[in-house]
Amino acid sequence: EVQVVESGGGLVQPGGSLRLSCVASGFTFSNYAMSWVRQAPGKGLEWVSVISDRGSKTYYADSVRGRFTISRDNSKNTLFLQMNSLRVEDMAVYYCAKEVGNYGGNSGGWFDYWGRGTPVTVSS
Amino acid sequence: QVVLTQSPSASASLGASVKLTCTLSSGHSSYNIAWHQQQAGKGPRYVMKVNSDGSYIKGDGIPDRFSGSTSGAERYLIISSLQSEDEAAYYCQTWDTGIRVFGGGTKLTVL
Repeated sequence: EVQVVESGGGLVQPGGSLRLSCVASGFTFSNYAMSWVRQAPGKGLEWVSVISDRGSKTYYADSVRGRFTISRDNSKNTLFLQMNSLRVEDMAVYYCAKEVGNYGGNSGGWFDYWGRGTPVTVSS
Repeated sequence: QVVLTQSPSASASLGASVKLTCTLSSGHSSYNIAWHQQQAGKGPRYVMKVNSDGSYIKGDGIPDRFSGSTSGAERYLIISSLQSEDEAAYYCQTWDTGIRVFGGGTKLTVL
């Protein structure tokens, strides 16, 4: 059974940092691109970042570029999101999602498995 | 950049059918999309990918009541024999190199 489980969310002050993790199981993690998607309270889904299967390619939404860093450890089947300089508008539930493709490009760029999410609260 | 447009809400009676629409922006009518379902308080779930030729590929465990189709720049999710558990927000999603895009979502109410 494919599973992705996020952790690391919590309360942080504006300007602070947080590192999210996502542990995957039930599939060959190193063969697939992975994304982070977030959802602000009462709002829709917003894509944040994608990383290719080997980690050589990374892409970001304009709203987080320069502040967030996506990475992965294929030996531990784990995806990460380092979030720095956090803003109130970054407050959301953050979801890890498995992509169908492997390189973050224009083929296979949809999500076939999702986690349950980890909440991030940015408040003073 | 591609934009996806969805109606904010839809409703239909228990046992009836409903057709949800996702419209691709001008110049992007050849794009494929995916539909995701999000029930209240839960994470999203992949429903199906709908291709520009009208074919579709469903996710694991998605009932036969769910189907997809295409007309021009519009991609549809059709749910027949509506059940109470179909009440959810439905998001369409597309992709290009280095970017993934969501529509605003349609909240489906089963009456």
